[in-house]
Amino acid sequence: QQQVKQSPQSLIVQKGGISIINCAYENTAFDYFPWYQQFPGKGPALLIAIRPDVSEKKEGRFTISFNKSAKQFSLHIMDSQPGDSATYFCAASMQDDKIIFGKGTRLHILP
Amino acid sequence: DSGVTQTPKHLITATGQRVTLRCSPRSGDLSVYWYQQSLDQGLQFLIQYYNGEERAKGNILERFSAQQFPDLHSELNLSSLELGDSALYFCASTPGGGETQYFGPGTRLLVL
Repeated sequence: QQQVKQSPQSLIVQKGGISIINCAYENTAFDYFPWYQQFPGKGPALLIAIRPDVSEKKEGRFTISFNKSAKQFSLHIMDSQPGDSATYFCAASMQDDKIIFGKGTRLHILP
Repeated sequence: DSGVTQTPKHLITATGQRVTLRCSPRSGDLSVYWYQQSLDQGLQFLIQYYNGEERAKGNILERFSAQQFPDLHSELNLSSLELGDSALYFCASTPGGGETQYFGPGTRLLVL
């Protein structure tokens, strides 16, 4: 199966709170899991990515948690800020193959 | 700025018409991907080219076609346009395939 299932579809978080977006996949051949951030009117841009040989990767306020056995991964945004309001896409890919994107999560951070 | 350029930025046309969207990948990138993004829809993968050859095909309609030229720029041709084709069309490039994709700013197509 080539699908990547992403939830929730939309998310509202208070400023300073933690935003959590979850993704699940089925194909164990996937070996690269990026998250993209898209602001209105712009193209998606890579935010952070992980490979399945590590369980967690942190870059500033953004953390990916990866559970290989459950075939799930999630994005945590700590101390969420209004500037984080955007659409977030998880994705999965195999070497030399196309990337499969989740359907996206619209995140809104309340000031 | 991702280094990927797309033209035009906006396009308004009528049903039944044909349009061509253009994408120039980052310098040195061999792979170009095309995506369609409609309202409330995720990124729908259309097609991938690698060094001039079609490499992967997604949910691309028969009315749509693409090609990648020797200078590595790519064009997406949309014909017999329908109202439902109104969307944002993105291209992305990578050095090879499967790793980080660098997206262009998109072309917003409106079919009236």
